[in-house]
Amino acid sequence: DGGITQSPKYLFRKEGQNVTLSCEQNLNHDAMYWYRQDPGQGLRLIYYSQIVNDFQKGDIAEGYSVSREKKESFPLTVTSAQKNPTAFYLCASSRTSGPSYEQYFGPGTRLTVT
Amino acid sequence: AQSVAQPEDQVNVAEGNPLTVKCTYSVSGNPYLFWYVQYPNRGLQFLLKYITGDNLVKGSYGFEAEFNKSQTSFHLKKPSALVSDSALYFCAVRDPPERSNTGKLIFGQGTTLQVKP
Repeated sequence: DGGITQSPKYLFRKEGQNVTLSCEQNLNHDAMYWYRQDPGQGLRLIYYSQIVNDFQKGDIAEGYSVSREKKESFPLTVTSAQKNPTAFYLCASSRTSGPSYEQYFGPGTRLTVT
Repeated sequence: AQSVAQPEDQVNVAEGNPLTVKCTYSVSGNPYLFWYVQYPNRGLQFLLKYITGDNLVKGSYGFEAEFNKSQTSFHLKKPSALVSDSALYFCAVRDPPERSNTGKLIFGQGTTLQVKP
């Protein structure tokens, strides 16, 4: 899982509550990403950021928000507007230049909303 | 638009036999292709990538992949499967930097590899 940490590993929330998932990296990567994983659907991109104080929506950004105040941190907030928030959330980071373009992933956070 | 297809939900193979996990892609220009592996309740681990050069790419844990431009495929292979190779495997593609600098990966739906003793 490289130098990316996600906390907590498991998270339980009641419907209607906002919840923030943590992602920290010590790889000095400029770019960071949030994915959602559901069974049988692969990974879908929620938000990404290529530089501090800037981020873009991915394919399924509705009901989510992010911030990128520091290079090493990219927290994701799952808001009450997200209709089906129960899922496995994965954070990743990568370089934005040079020959290595692969993304490195954290261990994930499993969110259950009831 | 970019897309990746993994046509098999599950691949079953006996330990010691060769394995192949299939991936086809659709992208304009020269793709950057990746394989990742995921063990239960864990993040994805990078296995290998094709950027340019030799069509046969070698990666971690004895895995390799063959890039075939005419068939738009990037199948993952291993000569001799281990029980510990049992996991979920993802193929992914991104545009080369000269086409897009977002770094966005498009993932296939994943293939479960089951290696039986």
